[in-house]
Amino acid sequence: EVQLVESGGGLVQPGRSLKLSCLASGFTFSNYGMNWIRQAPGKGLEWVASISSSSSYIYYADTVKGRFTISRDNAKNTLYLQMTSLRSEDTALYYCARHRSPFDYWGQGVMVTVSS
Amino acid sequence: DIQMTQSPSSLSASLGDRVTITCRASQDIGNYLSWFQQKPGKSPRLMIYGATNLEDGVPSRFSGSRSGSDYSLTISSLESEDTAIYYCLQYDKYPRTFGGGTKLELK
Repeated sequence: EVQLVESGGGLVQPGRSLKLSCLASGFTFSNYGMNWIRQAPGKGLEWVASISSSSSYIYYADTVKGRFTISRDNAKNTLYLQMTSLRSEDTALYYCARHRSPFDYWGQGVMVTVSS
Repeated sequence: DIQMTQSPSSLSASLGDRVTITCRASQDIGNYLSWFQQKPGKSPRLMIYGATNLEDGVPSRFSGSRSGSDYSLTISSLESEDTAIYYCLQYDKYPRTFGGGTKLELK
């Protein structure tokens, strides 16, 4: 069974940093691109970043470019999102999703709240 | 960036009704269009990919179609478990962009 489990969220002050993790199981992690997608409270879905299976290709939304870094460790079956210079508008539930057609499996999400 | 204009933003229908939700792409995306269902407190679920392909396990009352730059999700006979928010997504180009969502409720 495919499982994606996010962790690392929490309450953080504006301007600070936070690193999210997504532990994958039930499939060959190194064969799939991965993604981060977020959803602000009561709002719609927003794609954040994507990374290819070997980390050769990386893409970001303009809203996070230069502040967020997506990465992966295929030996640990783990996807990461390093978030710096956090803003109140980054407050959201962050999902990781496997890349097939294009998001076929999603984690349960991890909440990030940016507030002083 | 490719804009996905989804309509309607909300929809109220009765059990057994045929329901259609539409997304219009601001530029050509071919068939790189997916539909997701999201129920309250749950993660989104992939329903349709490649504009017309039903994801495994999705009931056959759901279907997807394309007419030019307009993409539609149709539920042939609405059931109570179909109440949810539905989102389209284009995955032809980066940045990936979602439609604004359609909240489907029972009348």
